[in-house]
Amino acid sequence: KQEVTQIPAALSVPEGENLVLNCSFTDSAIYNLQWFRQDPGKGLTSLLLIQSSQREQTSGRLNASLDKSSGRSTLYIAASQPGDSATYLCAVHNDMRFGAGTRLTVKP
Amino acid sequence: EAQVTQNPRYLITVTGKKLTVTCSQNMNHEYMSWYRQDPGLGLRQIYYSMNVEVTDKGDVPEGYKVSRKEKRNFPLILESPSPNQTSLYFCASTKRPPGQLITDTQYFGPGTRLTVL
Repeated sequence: KQEVTQIPAALSVPEGENLVLNCSFTDSAIYNLQWFRQDPGKGLTSLLLIQSSQREQTSGRLNASLDKSSGRSTLYIAASQPGDSATYLCAVHNDMRFGAGTRLTVKP
Repeated sequence: EAQVTQNPRYLITVTGKKLTVTCSQNMNHEYMSWYRQDPGLGLRQIYYSMNVEVTDKGDVPEGYKVSRKEKRNFPLILESPSPNQTSLYFCASTKRPPGQLITDTQYFGPGTRLTVL
């Protein structure tokens, strides 16, 4: 059974810092992986979807990479801003398994 | 605007009183699913539907029912709610089912916060 882990559970950084969020999964035979953002009391918003044939995806200040052989994905946020404060979740698409998320706080 | 809607957004009820949470999508998606989110546990899939009249259990289906009579709607039914079903519930949809080489973005509803007393 696929298990998805996100470490750390919470992260606090000063504004402007570049940061990396981690997502690891136990079964490397995955197809696709998706990163989401969740604001308090709100639903999930899709950030990036990495297809099986891709190694990374970029959108603005966000870059997500996928290394299936090592069972890892990372979400890189450049020049963080207070508006980036949210919980970030990764999901493995084979059977839609989610990590518990990393709660990010960017301090002004 | 492409969206997934859920109703109600907030619900407080008592043990044993049947309730239904509605979910509707306007994107003509085939695949729909329900999740519950609990602190420290992340999202867990309750039920999913590949298409009209095709539903299947997810990881935590006990105590829940679903139906898919129309493509756009996928209601979640709690026949006899219990306090351990207090949670935040999300409905989601995507064009094609996950688990394929090429997949699509999942769209999520805004969530329904359910409290069972």
